[in-house]
Amino acid sequence: LAKTTQPISMDSYEGQEVNITCSHNNIATNDYITWYQQFPSQGPRFIIQGYKTKVTNEVASLFIPADRKSSTLSLPRVSLSDTAVYYCLVGDSVSGNTPLVFGKGTRLSVIA
Amino acid sequence: DVKVTQSSRYLVKRTGEKVFLECVQDMDHENMFWYRQDPGLGLRLIYFSYDVKMKEKGDIPEGYSVSREKKERFSLILESASTNQTSMYLCASTISGGQGNQPQHFGDGTRLSIL
Repeated sequence: LAKTTQPISMDSYEGQEVNITCSHNNIATNDYITWYQQFPSQGPRFIIQGYKTKVTNEVASLFIPADRKSSTLSLPRVSLSDTAVYYCLVGDSVSGNTPLVFGKGTRLSVIA
Repeated sequence: DVKVTQSSRYLVKRTGEKVFLECVQDMDHENMFWYRQDPGLGLRLIYFSYDVKMKEKGDIPEGYSVSREKKERFSLILESASTNQTSMYLCASTISGGQGNQPQHFGDGTRLSIL
């Protein structure tokens, strides 16, 4: 399984754009990159997934460079309610029944 | 919308007791997972199942067992509870197949305290 590295914590002010970068140097050809968000006392929630270039949905954008050895989750104009832990996962659930590894995530604190 | 329901939000048990944590999903998902989450350690996979009566060990299976007699239900069993099993337990399910990583749908967790 591709190992991921992401910052332990980040702080941001309300209204700012937040970028959380995840490193995955040994990503495999079939691997996808998936991000989850977890609020206190809740289970993680799927945010976004991508394979290459850029993916955008109503919550976030995901930027993946050509070499795919890293990815950046971008949260536009964060609010206090975006305070959460964000997890980056890399893998392919299709080839083999091997679950993805969540790791410790990045704790984002949004300050008023 | 997928709903994953864990039987209890909070549970207090005593050392040595046999503890059952139940999880039910309503979307006919093939795959189900049990994690525990501890401060500073993130989510760690205990067991998972890809089909009825099938189970696979995750990263930390010691002291736990699981049961999947029906597709919608995945039970985590602490054979003889110990204080180091005090934790938040999270159940998840996901559909099988398709491309990429099928999103895991999580329950809200069971906070288990072993006294």
